[in-house]
Amino acid sequence: EAQVTQNPRYLITVTGKKLTVTCSQNMNHEYMSWYRQDPGLGLRQIYYSMNVEVTDKGDVPEGYKVSRKEKRNFPLILESPSPNQTSLYFCASSQAGANVLTFGAGSRLTVL
Amino acid sequence: GENVEQHPSTLSVQEGDSAVIKCTYSDSASNYFPWYKQELGKGPQLIIDIRSNVGEKKDQRIAVTLNKTAKHFSLHITETQPEDSAVYFCAAYFSGSARQLTFGSGTQLTVLP
Repeated sequence: EAQVTQNPRYLITVTGKKLTVTCSQNMNHEYMSWYRQDPGLGLRQIYYSMNVEVTDKGDVPEGYKVSRKEKRNFPLILESPSPNQTSLYFCASSQAGANVLTFGAGSRLTVL
Repeated sequence: GENVEQHPSTLSVQEGDSAVIKCTYSDSASNYFPWYKQELGKGPQLIIDIRSNVGEKKDQRIAVTLNKTAKHFSLHITETQPEDSAVYFCAAYFSGSARQLTFGSGTQLTVLP
């Protein structure tokens, strides 16, 4: 089944404790992206990647890092999480030049 | 950059009635306008899209209209059913942008039995 898989789905952590949210897709998509969803703000892009080793900032990149060492994986790294990073995070992917995004099921992160 | 405004933020309709969600965009070069549906506990999923060379597109009970002059597009759902209850996002794509889609803020649609 074609899908985007995120882990963990739920996480409660404390301020300053580094964490990584993994994202993997099995569709051989070139493009991958991370979004955060907050009430009233919709989906805001954090980082995106056009292909392996090619990443760039989205609208809200502060406090996040990403890497794209393999085509299928695009982890989101929070080096020192803060409470304002409490949010619902989505990873998505698409073919190069195509606009249709396939989203993962989401990762709900709470930073205390 | 592109800016997409979506209204209303919440919408309640009686089962069987129609629902309309509206979005406006800022970049006149935008040429692709998808709508995503997000059910509870799931990621958004594409339900319909329209390109700038078309004024209207229909797929069973859902339709999207585009007014390029006014820079707005709308989602129409007819004969609403309880399973239509979800959050709906509009989005716009500017072909000159590598960042792909800019999303609206979302509309929580509730279909009352």
